[in-house]
Amino acid sequence: AQKVTQAQTEISVVEKEDVTLDCVYETRDTTYYLFWYKQPPSGELVFLIRRNSFDEQNEISGRYSWNFQKSTSSFNFTITASQVVDSAVYFCALSEAAGANSKLTFGKGITLSVRP
Amino acid sequence: ETGVTQTPRHLVMGMTNKKSLKCEQHLGHNAMYWYKQSAKKPLELMFVYNFKEQTENNSVPSRFSPECPNSSHLFLHLHTLQPEDSALYLCASSQDKGSYNEQFFGPGTRLTVL
Repeated sequence: AQKVTQAQTEISVVEKEDVTLDCVYETRDTTYYLFWYKQPPSGELVFLIRRNSFDEQNEISGRYSWNFQKSTSSFNFTITASQVVDSAVYFCALSEAAGANSKLTFGKGITLSVRP
Repeated sequence: ETGVTQTPRHLVMGMTNKKSLKCEQHLGHNAMYWYKQSAKKPLELMFVYNFKEQTENNSVPSRFSPECPNSSHLFLHLHTLQPEDSALYLCASSQDKGSYNEQFFGPGTRLTVL
């Protein structure tokens, strides 16, 4: 069965600090997809990134970067020079490519607070 | 309207009431989902519809009854709920049920059962 672990529950940083959110996953499939979502106080989850299991290239998008390492089953998310608007709950999720029974499994989420 | 909308945003109901949550997506997607988000717990998938057909019921109690009249609308009918059903109910949609598709979420309905 697939599983996503976000060991950090709450992180508090001061604006402009860098912060890394950890995500460790478990799956028996060789083909799978990893996602990060952001949930601001308004409630809706906002899609940030998708990575498939065959693409281990790290990705950078502005102040956001993602480090995917299959050897450690991790898909960590780093925010550089954090801002108050980054305050939210961040979810890592895993979807196995199991066809009809595939579903998205979420971690418990990490609450990030960025203080001015 | 764009994206995924949900109404009402907040709902307070007694255990004997019957109410319905509504979700509408304006993205032309074919798959829709209901999730339950309780404090300190991961999002729990409740139901999945793909091309209006229910493809997954994740062992959800019968007091929750989904309805998908078309690919754009999804309802969750509630009756004789329990206080432990209080949670944020999120609706999502995706292009189809393929595992590679990102899901787009609505803002949720905050449900309180008294």
